[in-house]
Amino acid sequence: SAVISQKPSRDICQRGTSLTIQCQVDSQVTMMFWYRQQPGQSLTLIATANQGSEATYESGFVIDKFPISRPNLTFSTLTVSNMSPEDSSIYLCSVEDRGVEDNEQFFGPGTRLTVL
Amino acid sequence: AQSVAQPEDQVNVAEGNPLTVKCTYSVSGNPYLFWYVQYPNRGLQFLLKYITGDNLVKGSYGFEAEFNKSQTSFHLKKPSALVSDSALYFCAAPMNTGFQKLVFGTGTRLLVSP
Repeated sequence: SAVISQKPSRDICQRGTSLTIQCQVDSQVTMMFWYRQQPGQSLTLIATANQGSEATYESGFVIDKFPISRPNLTFSTLTVSNMSPEDSSIYLCSVEDRGVEDNEQFFGPGTRLTVL
Repeated sequence: AQSVAQPEDQVNVAEGNPLTVKCTYSVSGNPYLFWYVQYPNRGLQFLLKYITGDNLVKGSYGFEAEFNKSQTSFHLKKPSALVSDSALYFCAAPMNTGFQKLVFGTGTRLLVSP
C-alpha cells in the first residue's frame, strides 16, 4: 500500500498569514486529493490535485484560498491563504493506489492547523 | 447526490461485547460503500468496502460489515470489542461514478471500556 507523509504535522499560525502543506507519496500515483476535517466534523473534499494541470475544486472551495500544486506523480502541496480562525482544521491528503487494488484510497497522517 | 449518514455520535461498549456502528446510505445506482477508522493523531485507515457480491464483508482487525439493500444500511460490526478499537469511525461512499472522490458520514466515536 502507498505510504504517505505530510509536513508539517501541526502548526499554529496567525490570522492573515499563509501556510503550505506538503504531501509526499512513496510511489507514483495518478490521483491525489486534499480533504479538510474541521473540529468535531467529518471530512470534506477540497480538491483533486491534477498532475500537469490546474486542480479541480469542489463546491465552496476556490483556488485563491487554497492554491494547489502537483509538480509530479509523487508530490503535492496545499496552501491555506490569508488564514482566519475558521480555517483551523486537520488537512489530509489522500491517494488512490491502483497498484494495490482499485477502489481503495490511502490517507496521510494529516496536518493539524490552528489559526489564532 | 450521494450521501451517507451515521446516526450515532458515540457508541459505548464493554470489552468483549459485540459492537455495531451504524451507517445508512442514499446513493443512485449500485452502492459502493466503505468504512474507515481514525485513531487519535493519525490519518484514516481503510477497514473494508462493499462493491458487489456477498452482503457480509470482512475487513481488517476482525471487523465486518453487513450490506442491507432493503434497509439501505451498511453497519460495521465486530463480535468481540477490544479497548484498542476505541477510535473514530467513518462510513463513506463515492461522490460520483468514479471511486476516487469520497463523501463521508459525520463519524461515530467508539469507546470500548475495560
